[in-house]
Amino acid sequence: NAGVTQTPKFRILKIGQSMTLQCTQDMNHNYMYWYRQDPGMGLKLIYYSVGAGITDKGEVPNGYNVSRSTTEDFPLRLELAAPSQTSVYFCASSYRTGADQPQHFGDGTRLSIL
Amino acid sequence: KQEVTQIPAALSVPEGENLVLNCSFTDSAIYNLQWFRQDPGKGLTSLLLIQSSQREQTSGRLNASLDKSSGRSTLYIAASQPGDSATYLCAAASGNTPLVFGKGTRLSVIA
Repeated sequence: NAGVTQTPKFRILKIGQSMTLQCTQDMNHNYMYWYRQDPGMGLKLIYYSVGAGITDKGEVPNGYNVSRSTTEDFPLRLELAAPSQTSVYFCASSYRTGADQPQHFGDGTRLSIL
Repeated sequence: KQEVTQIPAALSVPEGENLVLNCSFTDSAIYNLQWFRQDPGKGLTSLLLIQSSQREQTSGRLNASLDKSSGRSTLYIAASQPGDSATYLCAAASGNTPLVFGKGTRLSVIA
């Protein structure tokens, strides 16, 4: 099973450029999440979605946008890349939130803004 | 606002030792507490999930406990192996809000 797939795995951007980080899952999960992980830090939630057409902000949404047109896909867009957005980005999914549902993670996208 | 803290930040032990990783959280009204493993350059793998009504969960050499009243969870690893070397993160789920993660404990098991 593929699980959660993220592309690309690595990317270098120049300041002010834009890009989309792709995330797709094949587990028919309703909930999807985008996190960023900075060195020595835990994961911080950027955006999440509870189903197609529904998205909500997490702890650190500024500078990012998301959409959820299908159950499978949850792309994250950076419109004007800034050095502060250099990080590792993880996408995750779960069947639902609540007491008994673990989250499944992709392998991450390592993004550098220069 | 939920805050999750993990101590120690890094730990190095010889192969074969039993060890305990600690996780504390500030809001005891949690739905579950999850432990994850992260290998270098990889995503997170779910190890154990303890629901708020449970006291512990076991999987092989791993045992996780939960004490909501004291705001603490521990991950016990028995007979550690070099393959256990990784970063271990705990995360707390409260209500319908997404997970709040600790910063992790980086474990090195020396052969």
